[in-house]
Amino acid sequence: EVQLLESGGGLVQPGGSLTLSCGASGFTFSSHAMSWVRQAPGKGLEWVSAISGGGATIYYADSVKGRFTISRDNSKNTLYLQMNSLRVEDTAVYYCAKEGLGIPLFDYWGQGTLVTVSS
Amino acid sequence: QLVLTQSPSASASLGASVKLTCTLSSGHSSYVIAWHQQQPEKGPRYLMKLNSDGSHTKGDGVPDRFSGSSSGAERYLTISSLQSEDEADYYCQTWGTGIRLFGGGTKLTVL
Repeated sequence: EVQLLESGGGLVQPGGSLTLSCGASGFTFSSHAMSWVRQAPGKGLEWVSAISGGGATIYYADSVKGRFTISRDNSKNTLYLQMNSLRVEDTAVYYCAKEGLGIPLFDYWGQGTLVTVSS
Repeated sequence: QLVLTQSPSASASLGASVKLTCTLSSGHSSYVIAWHQQQPEKGPRYLMKLNSDGSHTKGDGVPDRFSGSSSGAERYLTISSLQSEDEADYYCQTWGTGIRLFGGGTKLTVL
């Protein structure tokens, strides 16, 4: 059974930093690209960042480019999102999502972790 | 520019059928999409992958009541025999060079 479990969310002041983690199990982690997707309160889904199975290829949404860093540790089956220079508008539930083999469609989702940026 | 367009809301009666639409922007009518369901206060759930020819592959445990079809740039999600738990937000998703993309979502109300 595929499981994705996010952690690391919380309350942070504007300009602060936070690192999210996503532990994965039930599939060959290193074979799949992974993404972070967020959802601001009352809003739709917004893709944030993606990383290939081996970690060599990385993409970011324009809204987070230069502030967020995605990474993965395949030996630990864990995905990360380092978030710096956080803004009020980064407040959202952050989900990790598994992509299909060779196709960037999300076929499994985590339960999400809430990040609140507020003074 | 790749854009996915969804109607903000839809409604249908308990036991009836409903067809939700996701429209791909001009020049992108061959794109494959996915449909995702998000029930209130829950994380998203993958429903299916939908090809331009209407063939689709459903996710684990997705009921037979959910089906997909395509016509040109339109991608459809049909839910038959509506149940109360089908009341949810439905998102279509695709990808382009260096990006993944969602439609704005359709809020389905079951009357």
